[in-house]
Amino acid sequence: GAVVSQHPSWVICKSGTSVKIECRSLDFQATTMFWYRQFPKQSLMLMATSNEGSKATYEQGVEKDKFLINHASLTLSTLTVTSAHPEDSSFYICSAGKTDTQYFGPGTRLTVL
Amino acid sequence: KQEVTQIPAALSVPEGENLVLNCSFTDSAIYNLQWFRQDPGKGLTSLLLIQSSQREQTSGRLNASLDKSSGRSTLYIAASQPGDSATYLCAVLNFGNEKLTFGTGTRLTIIP
Repeated sequence: GAVVSQHPSWVICKSGTSVKIECRSLDFQATTMFWYRQFPKQSLMLMATSNEGSKATYEQGVEKDKFLINHASLTLSTLTVTSAHPEDSSFYICSAGKTDTQYFGPGTRLTVL
Repeated sequence: KQEVTQIPAALSVPEGENLVLNCSFTDSAIYNLQWFRQDPGKGLTSLLLIQSSQREQTSGRLNASLDKSSGRSTLYIAASQPGDSATYLCAVLNFGNEKLTFGTGTRLTIIP
C-alpha cells in the first residue's frame, strides 16, 4: 500500500498560462501533503505543506499567490502554477504523509515556453 | 536549521565493487533518516528508513547505518550492478517537525 500518483506526468505550456498538477494518495488518506520542486541536478526543495481543509504553509521565498495549493480532500491536493514563466520550468514532486513517513509521487515535468 | 550534506556529489565505480555513500546532518535531534533512489527524470524510490533508536537497516544488498551522535549515516551497496546507477538521496525528519530535509544527493555510476 501507500501509493501516490501525480497527473500529468509532464506538461508543456506557453508563458503566461496557468497549469494545475494533481497529487492523489490512492490507497490511504493523507491529512498532510507536501509539494517539492527540483531543478536539474539539484536536490528536492520543499515549497509548501498542505493540510486538508486548511490553508497551505509556504516555505520562505515561495510565492503563495503564484503557487496556489488546494487540499480539498484527504486523498487529493492540487498545485496550480499561475501565470507560468520559463523560470518556473522544473520537476514538481508531491508526497503524502502516513504515520511519520512520506510517500512520494512520480513527479511532474513542467516546461514553460 | 537542519542541513544535510552528501559527499561525494558523484561517484563512478566498476561493476562488482562494494561502495559506501555518505550523509551528514547538523542537528542530531532526528526522528528518522531515509535513503532514496532517484532515476533520471523519475520520482523517488524509498530504499531504507532508519528510526532514531536504530543503528542500521538492511535490505538485500543495501545496508544503511545511523550514528546520531556524530550526525552521520552511510549507505553500503554490496556487489554493485549497472542497474544501481542512479542518484541517491538521504533525508532526515526532525522531532516536532513533519518536514523532510533532503541532502544534496550522490550521483552513482556503475561501470560495466
